[in-house]
Amino acid sequence: TQLLEQSPQFLSIQEGENLTVYCNSSSVFSSLQWYRQEPGEGPVLLVTVVTGGEVKKLKRLTFQFGDARKDSSLHITAAQPGDTGLYLCAGGDGAGNMLTFGGGTRLMVKP
Amino acid sequence: KAGVTQTPRYLIKTRGQQVTLSCSPISGHRSVSWYQQTPGQGLQFLFEYFSETQRNKGNFPGRFSGRQFSNSRSEMNVSTLELGDSALYLCASAGTRGYSAGELFFGEGSRLTVL
Repeated sequence: TQLLEQSPQFLSIQEGENLTVYCNSSSVFSSLQWYRQEPGEGPVLLVTVVTGGEVKKLKRLTFQFGDARKDSSLHITAAQPGDTGLYLCAGGDGAGNMLTFGGGTRLMVKP
Repeated sequence: KAGVTQTPRYLIKTRGQQVTLSCSPISGHRSVSWYQQTPGQGLQFLFEYFSETQRNKGNFPGRFSGRQFSNSRSEMNVSTLELGDSALYLCASAGTRGYSAGELFFGEGSRLTVL
């Protein structure tokens, strides 16, 4: 059974601070995705990384896939209240659209 | 284009009853996946259907079942409901991008409460 561990589980910061969320596994994934979910809504895909060592940037968000494709990180620069939400990492093993999700990181950015 | 539509959005059942949830994927998407989200276990994969065939199945008991119709709409059924089945059930559709995880578009979910 593949597992993804996310840390921290909860994060409360002030607007303008930087933060990093980690997603770790002992298993290798063919792809790693990051989603953000807001209350009352389904998760929305932020990025997909597929190559070991890959780094992708989405405005103030930087995503990295570990060289061994077992871990990933999400770094947010100068967080804003609009970044508040539940961040989820999800690993794909190449078997269709079956994803293994991490437990999530609930982020609150205070103005 | 219209997003993924799930019905009903909220429902309350009692133990022992059964429930059917419906999902209409984005037009043109043939893959529909179902996930269960709970505070304790997070998001867990239930099953995926592609062109009316179950392509993958998660580690859930046989009380959980699903199907997909020729128009790609999907239903999932939970029989003999237990208190622990209370959860947000999310449906996600995906286009065809080979046999690997592509972008999943999630619906807003059906929140089931079992009393």
